[in-house]
Amino acid sequence: KQEVTQIPAALSVPEGENLVLNCSFTDSAIYNLQWFRQDPGKGLTSLLLIQSSQREQTSGRLNASLDKSSGRSTLYIAASQPGDSATYLCAPWGTNDYKLSFGAGTTVTVRA
Amino acid sequence: DVKVTQSSRYLVKRTGEKVFLECVQDMDHENMFWYRQDPGLGLRLIYFSYDVKMKEKGDIPEGYSVSREKKERFSLILESASTNQTSMYLCASSLEAGGANEKLFFGSGTQLSVL
Repeated sequence: KQEVTQIPAALSVPEGENLVLNCSFTDSAIYNLQWFRQDPGKGLTSLLLIQSSQREQTSGRLNASLDKSSGRSTLYIAASQPGDSATYLCAPWGTNDYKLSFGAGTTVTVRA
Repeated sequence: DVKVTQSSRYLVKRTGEKVFLECVQDMDHENMFWYRQDPGLGLRLIYFSYDVKMKEKGDIPEGYSVSREKKERFSLILESASTNQTSMYLCASSLEAGGANEKLFFGSGTQLSVL
């Protein structure tokens, strides 16, 4: 069974700092890995998808890297803003069980 | 853009009631999923469906059932609601089963309270 761990569980930074969010997973047999954002009491919004054959994916201030063989992905958010405050979840999509497995998330607070 | 709509944002039900949570997607997606999300436990998969009238158990199916009579609609049923089913319920859909470029799209969630 895929186990997904996200470190740190919570992070508080002043505006303008770069954010580094870590995700590790135990089963490297994946189709892709997705990063989601969740605002309090809301659903999840997909931020980035990295295919298993890719090393990284970028969208604006967001960059996600993937090292499938070591079971790690990192989400970088450049020049953080208060609007980036949310919980970020990573989810690899397994090829064996055909489903996403979620980490518990990293809750980010960006202080103005 | 894909739209996944959950019929209720908040629901309050009594113990023992039969509860229906409805989810509709508008992009002809093959796959639909029901998750529940609890503090400290993260998202856990309850049931999923790869096609009409097909269903598969997820990690925590006990106390739940599902119905998928039409491709666009996936219903989660709590046969006899209990207080430990108080949770945020999230519906999601995707075009195909897995695949390198397959994204999952979520609804806004239903916060269910069972009293």
